[in-house]
Amino acid sequence: QVQLQESGPGLVKPSETLSLTCTVSGGSISGYFWSWIRQSPGKGLEWIGYIYSSGSTNYNPSLKSRITISVDTSKNQFSLKLNSVTAADTAVYYCARVGRYEYSPYDYWGQGTLVSVSS
Amino acid sequence: QTVVTQEPSLTVSPGGTVTLTCASSTGAVTSGYYPTWFQQKPGQAPRTVIYSTNNKHSWTPARFSGSLLGGKAALTLSGVQPEDEAEYHCLLYFGGTVVFGGGTKLTVL
Repeated sequence: QVQLQESGPGLVKPSETLSLTCTVSGGSISGYFWSWIRQSPGKGLEWIGYIYSSGSTNYNPSLKSRITISVDTSKNQFSLKLNSVTAADTAVYYCARVGRYEYSPYDYWGQGTLVSVSS
Repeated sequence: QTVVTQEPSLTVSPGGTVTLTCASSTGAVTSGYYPTWFQQKPGQAPRTVIYSTNNKHSWTPARFSGSLLGGKAALTLSGVQPEDEAEYHCLLYFGGTVVFGGGTKLTVL
């Protein structure tokens, strides 16, 4: 059974960089697309972007200038960096396995981690 | 900026049938958008119930079905159970980028 676990600081100061890592267990990160999704308090889901195990990426155009998603296949992990954060970036951040293709069904999700942006 | 629109809220009686829809600001939704539906209960991560328009996961109850209806993606629950009360999110794939709908809060009352 594939499991995903997000990790990283729960509090980030405005203008700083949010950094999260997703550790994949129970299966290989290779050969799959992996994604970051966030959900602001009381709001809907927002797609941040995805990465293939080879390192190719696709990002949400509205966030593209501020985000970097990377993968470390040796550690079975992928990561998110979001710079110049503001209070509007406060959200629960989820990592998910998309699947074999970029349009695959997001079949495994982490439990989510709340990141608050505040001084 | 592409917008995906869902009904903000719907109410259904136990045992009833309800259809949730997912529309795109770019025009009619087709199977090429690989419509995906997620169920999310409070405090939990979303879980896929329908993918690629009408495909079910092994954990998807038989009463859930997906389709295309009047230019929109649709999720129909037939014989609704109390445990179906949840937020439902749709996702559409736009050839490299992905957009979620705003979500539909389904109340079973």
